Amino acid sequence: EPEVTQTPSHQVTQMGQEVILRCVPISNHLYFYWYRQILGQKVEFLVSFYNNEISEKSEIFDDQFSVERPDGSNFTLKIRSTKLEDSAMYFCASQGQAGSSYEQYFGPGTRLTVT
Amino acid sequence: SQQGEEDPQALSIQEGENATMNCSYKTSINNLQWYRQNSGRGLVHLILIRSNEREKHSGRLRVTLDTSKKSSSLLITASRAADTASYFCATDQAGTALIFGKGTTLSVSS
Repeated sequence: EPEVTQTPSHQVTQMGQEVILRCVPISNHLYFYWYRQILGQKVEFLVSFYNNEISEKSEIFDDQFSVERPDGSNFTLKIRSTKLEDSAMYFCASQGQAGSSYEQYFGPGTRLTVT
Repeated sequence: SQQGEEDPQALSIQEGENATMNCSYKTSINNLQWYRQNSGRGLVHLILIRSNEREKHSGRLRVTLDTSKKSSSLLITASRAADTASYFCATDQAGTALIFGKGTTLSVSS
């Protein structure tokens, strides 16, 4: 069964450093998302991406964040200058065709630890 | 803003018993989805119910939706130790961003 994959599974970085989290969505899906979950808290939406552009973003997704789909398979989240409060689990999700199936399928997550 | 809130926050049952978790939300929705998360792991999609549906089944899972009360329930029948996890509801208005609740932590003991 197709699945969303994410790398790395765990990333440790120092405050102020840039990180890039990578995702490979399910191959025929059209909509891509990033969410995060701070330890012990609820999953929060960051950004959605469709047709090579951001379609929706939350207040969390400020200028420090950016997303890119550099090729036909990868979907990346970049944090330019990490802060301690960026420590969280980051989930990528993908969704197929709008209008027929709204299920969002999540990857296993990348645990980001900022020290 | 719309928000899924589950109750109870924690539920402990014995294997073989049924587990019922509830979710409430505030505004109109297009879809409501239930997810499972094992400790420290990813989110596994369980079931999606559309706003015009009232009940849906998938294996041992039964989901109901009452749009007049803005609530949904997830029933897991004949629970197993492997069902131990956190369960989240997530709502959307237009098939885009999901809004998650805080989740119900289910513990099934053998």
